[in-house]
Amino acid sequence: DVKVTQSSRYLVKRTGEKVFLECVQDMDHENMFWYRQDPGLGLRLIYFSYDVKMKEKGDIPEGYSVSREKKERFSLILESASTNQTSMYLCASSPIRKSVTGELFFGEGSRLTVL
Amino acid sequence: AQRVTQPEKLLSVFKGAPVELKCNYSYSGSPELFWYVQYSRQRLQLLLRHISRESIKGFTADLNKGETSFHLKKPFAQEEDSAMYYCALKRGGSTLGRLYFGRGTQLTVWP
Repeated sequence: DVKVTQSSRYLVKRTGEKVFLECVQDMDHENMFWYRQDPGLGLRLIYFSYDVKMKEKGDIPEGYSVSREKKERFSLILESASTNQTSMYLCASSPIRKSVTGELFFGEGSRLTVL
Repeated sequence: AQRVTQPEKLLSVFKGAPVELKCNYSYSGSPELFWYVQYSRQRLQLLLRHISRESIKGFTADLNKGETSFHLKKPFAQEEDSAMYYCALKRGGSTLGRLYFGRGTQLTVWP
């Protein structure tokens, strides 16, 4: 069974803090994604990666960066958190062969509150 | 560019009634369409894809290229169908697996 694990389910941070959201998948997937989920706005792609050390901007990369040093781990970084980054963050992964079928495997989400 | 539109933010029906969640898209190429579902306190997961032409949990969806629609239908809704539903599009032939999601429809099925 595919497992995508997001290390923190709930985080509360202060404005200006640096925030790390970690995501690990155990199925040797090449592709990994970070989405932001907001009511009424749906899922918006922040960044994605199709290989180690490779990254591509999504639709809303401003204020975020990512790191993929190992195949199984994809980190989302907020260099200086702001209140408008309060949201639910979803990590997803897929193997290349599943890229053709469009199936993503999601983590449970990390709910971030920035005060 | 591509865009996925789900016109209904909220949809409520009674148990046993038919339900249709609307999805329209815009994309100049040949798209692949999907429905994802998120039940309360569960992960977002794939429900069905148009290529498979399958029925999952009684739900079906047909890609209508003329109307650029991919509506999700079920003839008799059940309480356990209550969830958030997202329509998603993938560019045809893309190998990166990137999906473009709509804003979602929260379905509530009343007993």
